[in-house]
Order: sequence, then structure tokens, then C-alpha cells
Amino acid sequence: KQEVTQIPAALSVPEGENLVLNCSFTDSAIYNLQWFRQDPGKGLTSLLLIQSSQREQTSGRLNASLDKSSGRSTLYIAASQPGDSATYLCAVRTASGGSYIPTFGRGTSLIVHP
Amino acid sequence: EPEVTQTPSHQVTQMGQEVILRCVPISNHLYFYWYRQILGQKVEFLVSFYNNEISEKSEIFDDQFSVERPDGSNFTLKIRSTKLEDSAMYFCASSGTQETQYFGPGTRLLVL
Repeated sequence: KQEVTQIPAALSVPEGENLVLNCSFTDSAIYNLQWFRQDPGKGLTSLLLIQSSQREQTSGRLNASLDKSSGRSTLYIAASQPGDSATYLCAVRTASGGSYIPTFGRGTSLIVHP
Repeated sequence: EPEVTQTPSHQVTQMGQEVILRCVPISNHLYFYWYRQILGQKVEFLVSFYNNEISEKSEIFDDQFSVERPDGSNFTLKIRSTKLEDSAMYFCASSGTQETQYFGPGTRLLVL
């Protein structure tokens, strides 16, 4: 059974710092991996999706990498801003026996203070 | 920009009652999903739906739950005989392929 772990659980940084959020998974037979942000009491906003054949994806100040062999993905946030404050979730879709059920991590709660 | 919408935003019900949560996916999407998030817990997959039938479901999605696409725009989740532990935020999502999923704002269900 796929297990997804996100480290750190919480992070508080001053504005302008470059950040790395980590996501690890136990089953490397993944179909894809998606990073989301979730604002308090709100739905999930898709940030980046990486297919199993890809190594990284970039969107603006965000860069996500994928290393299937080590079971890890990182989300890099450049020049953080207070508006980046949210919980960041990693979701892994495992390609196993025809099933693609996604498994979510608990998230990293990020606070960027001015 | 197209978005997934959900109604109601909040629902309070008595234990044992039936509730129907409604979702309008993005219009040209083909895959539809329901997830739940119990307060303070992980987001959990419930069910995926494609071509008018369930394509996958989790262990959580037992006989108490059902989904339906009653017309060309709505996608519903019915929870029969609600229990206290069904209290959670329920999210609907849709995707154009088995790729990027777009989530709705959620329905917060409270079972008393």
C-alpha cells in the first residue's frame, strides 16, 4: 500500500527565502505526482503535475522534481512571498494492477512572514 | 477560467439522515472524483467516475455511498444513513484526462 510522507510538517520563513518542501513515497511504481496548495477552509489548487517519465516541471517561481528510484519529490519555491502561505499537499497516483487511486500526504503548512 | 462548483457549501444533518452533495464539474471534463478530508486529517480518495460508471473506489466507499451523474452537468454524492464519523469536508474534482485534477471548494458536512 502506497504511503506518502511530507517533511517538514510546518515551516515559517521570512519573505524572500528560497524553500524546499519534500514528499516521499514508498511504492516507486507511480503513474504521476501532483502538488497542490490548500488555503484554510478551501479546496485544493493544482500547482504542478509530473508524469512518471518526467524529472521535473516548472511554473513561475515553482519547480517540482521527481526521483522515482529514491521515492522522492521536492517542491522548490523561489523568492517566497506572504501570499505563498498555505498548506502544500503532495498526491501520488500509483500504477498498480490497473488502479490509479491517488494517495495524499498530510501536507506542509507554510507561513511566509513579511 | 472554468472551475468546479459545489453545493451546498455547508450542510448540517442528523445522524441517520440521507444527504446529497452536488458538484458541477468543468464542462468538457470526462473524469469525476469525490474526496473527503476529515478535520486535521489527510485528503482521502473516495471514488472516480468515467463514462457513466464508477471506475475506481476506495475501501471507504462502501454501500452507504453512491454517485450519480443525473444529467450532462451535475455529479452527485449520496450518503445514506449518515454517521457521526461522516463529518468531513467533501471535495469534488474533475479532469480532462487521467491527468491534472481540478478541485471544487468543498462541502463541509456536519452530522449531529
